[in-house]
Amino acid sequence: NAGVTQTPKFQVLKTGQSMTLQCAQDMNHNSMYWYRQDPGMGLRLIYYSASEGTTDKGEVPNGYNVSRLNKREFSLRLESAAPSQTSVYFCASKGGPLNNEQFFGPGTRLTVL
Amino acid sequence: SQQGEEDPQALSIQEGENATMNCSYKTSINNLQWYRQNSGRGLVHLILIRSNEREKHSGRLRVTLDTSKKSSSLLITASRAADTASYFCATDAGGGADGLTFGKGTHLIIQP
Repeated sequence: NAGVTQTPKFQVLKTGQSMTLQCAQDMNHNSMYWYRQDPGMGLRLIYYSASEGTTDKGEVPNGYNVSRLNKREFSLRLESAAPSQTSVYFCASKGGPLNNEQFFGPGTRLTVL
Repeated sequence: SQQGEEDPQALSIQEGENATMNCSYKTSINNLQWYRQNSGRGLVHLILIRSNEREKHSGRLRVTLDTSKKSSSLLITASRAADTASYFCATDAGGGADGLTFGKGTHLIIQP
């Protein structure tokens, strides 16, 4: 099992460019999450998907869109990148309601110039 | 907004000593979790304590929870160099599919 995988690992964008961060999990988990981590901060929730076909906003959704493509994949899109979106992005997944542990991917380090 | 606030922000101790980190939070919770993050890596789940539990052990880890004070502590006994990492508490308000709310973390350095 690979667990949670994310691509790319690193990305540099210019202001106004768009890109999609990919996330996949092979643990048959229902719920998936996107977080961002800024220097000296904990993680903040951007969007989450409780199950295939549903998505909900988290604490900091502005400037982002998400797609739960299927049970395995949950992508995060920046339509028009801004320097304030420079951050490390983590995808996570969680099993059923009786299992509250989240499993994290290795992260994508994004720089917007 | 950050739910959990860890204290201290940074901690440096000698190998073999015990390390204690504290976490305070603001609202009611279903459970509280502790995660470890090694430099440049993703987070790894360490331990979960439910709101009706007061203490939990896992190997060299001991977690306490005081819901009346809205606080938790993580104790790592007999620390090792490999324990050097950042430690985050995370609260789960509903216990369902909602995401976790993380604190800013404690950076722990174990001196050999």
